[in-house]
Amino acid sequence: NAGVTQTPKFQVLKTGQSMTLQCAQDMNHNSMYWYRQDPGMGLRLIYYSASEGTTDKGEVPNGYNVSRLNKREFSLRLESAAPSQTSVYFCASSDRGSGAYNEQFFGPGTRLTVL
Amino acid sequence: GIQVEQSPPDLILQEGANSTLRCNFSDSVNNLQWFHQNPWGQLINLFYIPSGTKQNGRLSATTVATERYSLLYISSSQTTDSGVYFCAVLQPYNNNDMRFGAGTRLTVKP
Repeated sequence: NAGVTQTPKFQVLKTGQSMTLQCAQDMNHNSMYWYRQDPGMGLRLIYYSASEGTTDKGEVPNGYNVSRLNKREFSLRLESAAPSQTSVYFCASSDRGSGAYNEQFFGPGTRLTVL
Repeated sequence: GIQVEQSPPDLILQEGANSTLRCNFSDSVNNLQWFHQNPWGQLINLFYIPSGTKQNGRLSATTVATERYSLLYISSSQTTDSGVYFCAVLQPYNNNDMRFGAGTRLTVKP
């Protein structure tokens, strides 16, 4: 059981370039999330997918798009990267069963630098 | 949105000492999690604790939901406990929108 995996681990882009961050989970979870972490701060939610076929904006969605490809995979796309998007990106998943239970599990992160 | 405040922001301990980390939140919550981010950046789940008390080895956590705070206790600290400890809560009316505190950076010296 690999849990939540992310690719790539590191990436350097030039301003204006595009790229897609990939995330996959093997825990059969319904919900998946993308966060960013800036230096000295906690994580902030970019987008989430509560279930296959749905996506919604989080706290900081500007400049990003997402695709829930299937139940296992959730990708994050930067169409035109900006230096302000330099950050560490984390993917997470959770199994939102009955009631309010929603423990999230995180991948190892992707460190992105935009020059 | 809900505000999450953690204290202290930084903590330096000698190996073997005990510590208490605090998390205050501004509204009622259905979910509260504690994470440890190790020096390699990995986020490790410590506790899922919307209310009550849980223990796992040298670590324990208590959440008093009615008073909007949670405490993480670390006893007999070890150098491997170093890193950043985050508290995170779900927004009251959105079961997918989790908000993190800014973290407590713990350094345990040998």
